[in-house]
Amino acid sequence: QSVLTQPPSASGTPGQRVTISCSGSSSDIGTYPVNWYQQLPGTAPNLLIYSNNQRPSGVSDRFSGSKSGTSASLAISGLQSEDEADYYCATRNDSLNTWVFGGGTKLTVL
Amino acid sequence: QVQLVQSGAEVKKPGASVKVSCKASGYTFTRYDINWVRQAPGQGLEWMGWMSPNTGKTVYAQKFQGRVTMTRDTSITTVHMELSSLRSDDTAVYYCARGSYYFDSWGQGALVTVSS
Repeated sequence: QSVLTQPPSASGTPGQRVTISCSGSSSDIGTYPVNWYQQLPGTAPNLLIYSNNQRPSGVSDRFSGSKSGTSASLAISGLQSEDEADYYCATRNDSLNTWVFGGGTKLTVL
Repeated sequence: QVQLVQSGAEVKKPGASVKVSCKASGYTFTRYDINWVRQAPGQGLEWMGWMSPNTGKTVYAQKFQGRVTMTRDTSITTVHMELSSLRSDDTAVYYCARGSYYFDSWGQGALVTVSS
């Protein structure tokens, strides 16, 4: 069972906007910035959003992140078929003194 | 460009040890921490620990303390992760990932299969 809670699945049609939530506690999201990773099928994870809402160079501006209190969200606008992937939130946890991940959300483009 | 290239797949028997390597290139090796993250088949990501290639300092997740050892060889810009007393539930893809505040570059992963 993951420390951070994500919905196991999400879906949308091309062009739609979808959001993926990530819920934590005061020991993790409430204290530290949140990062998001995209994992395409059969590949290593890739950094998508860092420090709550920053996009690395090369990441489309269709991806955006936000954080409020002990929760964070990833939004994907203008959904495309190539966005089908697993998405993970991650941050540090004070109590466990570790990095913690959400369980992952499998995004399906219908 | 930044690259982390890992060693190949391994098959081990229960109780054995495995050592996975991660060779860094394209940046100053000692400036960035290296983390290890594993992913069991069909499961999510699990952080195992990190090492500072500069100082050699390591921090391990409590779950793996006593079984995991991370080392580095600065002469060949390589970090190693050794996991001992392997069990079937250690079967996973093991990734190295660069960074302290976020993981901005990942290795391709190394599948470790534990089976009798």
